[in-house]
Amino acid sequence: AQSVTQLGSHVSVSEGALVLLRCNYSSSVPPYLFWYVQYPNQGLQLLLKYTSAATLVKGINGFEAEFKKSETSFHLTKPSAHMSDAAEYFCAVSEAGGFKTIFGAGTRLFVKA
Amino acid sequence: EPEVTQTPSHQVTQMGQEVILRCVPISNHLYFYWYRQILGQKVEFLVSFYNNEISEKSEIFDDQFSVERPDGSNFTLKIRSTKLEDSAMYFCASSDLGQGFASEQYFGPGTRLTVT
Repeated sequence: AQSVTQLGSHVSVSEGALVLLRCNYSSSVPPYLFWYVQYPNQGLQLLLKYTSAATLVKGINGFEAEFKKSETSFHLTKPSAHMSDAAEYFCAVSEAGGFKTIFGAGTRLFVKA
Repeated sequence: EPEVTQTPSHQVTQMGQEVILRCVPISNHLYFYWYRQILGQKVEFLVSFYNNEISEKSEIFDDQFSVERPDGSNFTLKIRSTKLEDSAMYFCASSDLGQGFASEQYFGPGTRLTVT
């Protein structure tokens, strides 16, 4: 069965500092991996996705994530945090041929001025 | 930019009542989904729908739940007899290809269901 673990329910960084949000997955078949962002009172927006092509994936708003099979990880990073990055971030996994996406518990990112 | 819309934004109902949550997916999409998020918890998959039938459903999606595409534009989630634990944010999503092709799912803004 597939699962996703996000380490840290809350992460706080200073504006301009590196953002690192951790995600580990479990899947019996090669996974497809996603990061979504949720701003308050809004739906989910796709940041980026991994689909078995390049292991380093670039997304919107300056975010990127690296797929590491040996570590079963898909951590999300951004070199320099901006106040507008404050939101909830969800890592998610699905498998080829499947119709459901499994979400992690989410990490709330706080950005301090 | 096309978007998924959901109505109502907030629904309050009494325990035991039936509710219908409505979604208008993006017009050229063929796959439709419902997810829910209980306050403070993770987003959970409920059901996926393609070609007028359920493709996959979770253990949460029991006989109290049903989905329908009554016309060419709407996609609905019905809860027949609501329970307190059904209180959650319900998200509709649509995509133009199945998850097997890692198509992006576009999510609506959600309907907050409160069961009293």
